[in-house]
Amino acid sequence: SQTIHQWPATLVQPVGSPLSLECTVEGTSNPNLYWYRQAAGRGLQLLFYSVGIGQISSEVPQNLSASRPQDRQFILSSKKLLLSDSGFYLCAWSRDRDEQYFGPGTRLTVT
Amino acid sequence: AQKVTQAQTEISVVEKEDVTLDCVYETRDTTYYLFWYKQPPSGELVFLIRRNSFDEQNEISGRYSWNFQKSTSSFNFTITASQVVDSAVYFCALSPGGRRALTFGSGTRLQVQP
Repeated sequence: SQTIHQWPATLVQPVGSPLSLECTVEGTSNPNLYWYRQAAGRGLQLLFYSVGIGQISSEVPQNLSASRPQDRQFILSSKKLLLSDSGFYLCAWSRDRDEQYFGPGTRLTVT
Repeated sequence: AQKVTQAQTEISVVEKEDVTLDCVYETRDTTYYLFWYKQPPSGELVFLIRRNSFDEQNEISGRYSWNFQKSTSSFNFTITASQVVDSAVYFCALSPGGRRALTFGSGTRLQVQP
């Protein structure tokens, strides 16, 4: 069966510091991968998605970037965090246009 | 542009009551998919159901049922005989044909009181 991992689970970072969140999927090959952000009490906003290694599509221009160095690894990064980057970050995977399966999430607080 | 509206921000019911969560969507695509997800307090989104735009049959899974009506662009979710474990935020989402991204509604928080 497929599983999706995210780490860290929680993170507190000062403004201006770098960020690296990691997501890995097991049990499937060539998945579509997604990064979403959920601000407190709000819905989910798609940040990036990837259909293959090195292929990244950005949905919203912002302070973040994503990379996919391996087939089942998806990384969300920032060079300098802003207060507005605080939120709950969720990684998801899917097979083509099928339903998306989400990881446990990373709760990021920028202070 | 695609849009999903969940007008009910929060619903509170007493255990064993039936509850319906509303979802209205907008899209210009003729082919699209609709989804419901559950987000319990732990935060992880749990997939509940996917429907495509060509299948308007209602679906029942245990205490859960879904009513898809293209004429009103709605995809409502009913929980029968609610239980405390049903307490969560429920999201409706839309994926238009040709795109892999999901557009989510703002969610409905369901509180089931014992």
